[in-house]
Amino acid sequence: SQQGEEDPQALSIQEGENATMNCSYKTSINNLQWYRQNSGRGLVHLILIRSNEREKHSGRLRVTLDTSKKSSSLLITASRAADTASYFCATYRYGGSQGNLIFGKGTKLSVKP
Amino acid sequence: NAGVTQTPKFQVLKTGQSMTLQCAQDMNHEYMSWYRQDPGMGLRLIHYSVGAGITDQGEVPNGYNVSRSTTEDFPLRLLSAAPSQTSVYFCASSYGVNQETQYFGPGTRLLVL
Repeated sequence: SQQGEEDPQALSIQEGENATMNCSYKTSINNLQWYRQNSGRGLVHLILIRSNEREKHSGRLRVTLDTSKKSSSLLITASRAADTASYFCATYRYGGSQGNLIFGKGTKLSVKP
Repeated sequence: NAGVTQTPKFQVLKTGQSMTLQCAQDMNHEYMSWYRQDPGMGLRLIHYSVGAGITDQGEVPNGYNVSRSTTEDFPLRLLSAAPSQTSVYFCASSYGVNQETQYFGPGTRLLVL
């Protein structure tokens, strides 16, 4: 069952604009990760934020985490056509001897030149 | 390093046929996993392994078998293919069971007629 749910399902913006994607989840987590998938390719890890962190930056990416609301957001600033891809959040929860990463359904971002 | 490799890239099967999807990684990762990706469904975990000789079921294991005889290889076997197994299959690996970052292969696109 999906743990994370991204919102919106699809987003279309102009180059240079900022793109914001949201992720909500249901249970407590140890960390939350964001991945990018270009069409026809595998997923690429973008950034990880731990449950005790509230904000994290990596280049043009900014991720926030609100554990009280069980939600996260991914902001891509000054978007480029090359940012066109699907973006997935994935939550990790350690349980027993191991845990697993559970992916949401993704947000499809289209950046128009 | 080649990272995570998958073969074949594309396969067509008839209902009832069996086949093995190959996955290998050269990063000495303990954790390996198989996902399937269907339109609108995100990624769903099929099977995973926390080390050589240890495997376990994920969310959607029925119809699939796995084994982990070496750290490097994690093949996925379809015993008797069904049209419902038409999907894109991704193999992933990570350094430890805490799954800090998962590295994905390029995927195998499977069509079952």
